[in-house]
Amino acid sequence: DAGVTQSPTHLIKTRGQQVTLRCSPKSGHDTVSWYQQALGQGPQFIFQYYEEEERQRGNFPDRFSGHQFPNYSSELNVNALLLGDSALYLCASSSGRNTEAFFGQGTRLTVV
Amino acid sequence: QKEVEQDPGPLSVPEGAIVSLNCTYSNSAFQYFMWYRQYSRKGPELLMYTYSSGNKEDGRFTAQVDKSSKYISLFIRDSQPSDSATYLCAMGVFTGGGNKLTFGTGTQLKVEL
Repeated sequence: DAGVTQSPTHLIKTRGQQVTLRCSPKSGHDTVSWYQQALGQGPQFIFQYYEEEERQRGNFPDRFSGHQFPNYSSELNVNALLLGDSALYLCASSSGRNTEAFFGQGTRLTVV
Repeated sequence: QKEVEQDPGPLSVPEGAIVSLNCTYSNSAFQYFMWYRQYSRKGPELLMYTYSSGNKEDGRFTAQVDKSSKYISLFIRDSQPSDSATYLCAMGVFTGGGNKLTFGTGTQLKVEL
């Protein structure tokens, strides 16, 4: 049973560019959440997708957007990258109203 | 003030010691509580999940919640070098519209031989 998978594992982008990160949830899960984890900090909630709609959003600017596909996989898009966007981006999946969230290995984004 | 406070450590203990990791929170609306373990440059791994005050045990791990004091703990018995990692507490509110988790900063634990 595959867990939560994220791609790519590492990414280097230039300031001002755009980036797309991808996530496939754990088998049987239909809800995907995205988190940003800066070095030495806990993960910060970006947003959550369920039934292809953004269900909840954290305190992140509109430069951060997402999408969920009919197969429950999800993308996180970040436009106009800033140096401060450098972080580990984590995807978590869960099932419906079940609150137990399982994380992927993350995508490490470096903005130079 | 952060909603969830956690001592970042680092915490260094000898092998076999009992480890106590703690978090305090200010938002009395939090209803469920989790502990995650995160190895360096990896994603968090769910260790314990609970939603009621009291103790929950799973192997060498015990999660304790005191809602009246807004305080949660994770105890690790017979600690092993493989337990060396960062431990994150997380908590959330039951809603019909999502399950956003609020995390502490994480406590770095090193178990030495």
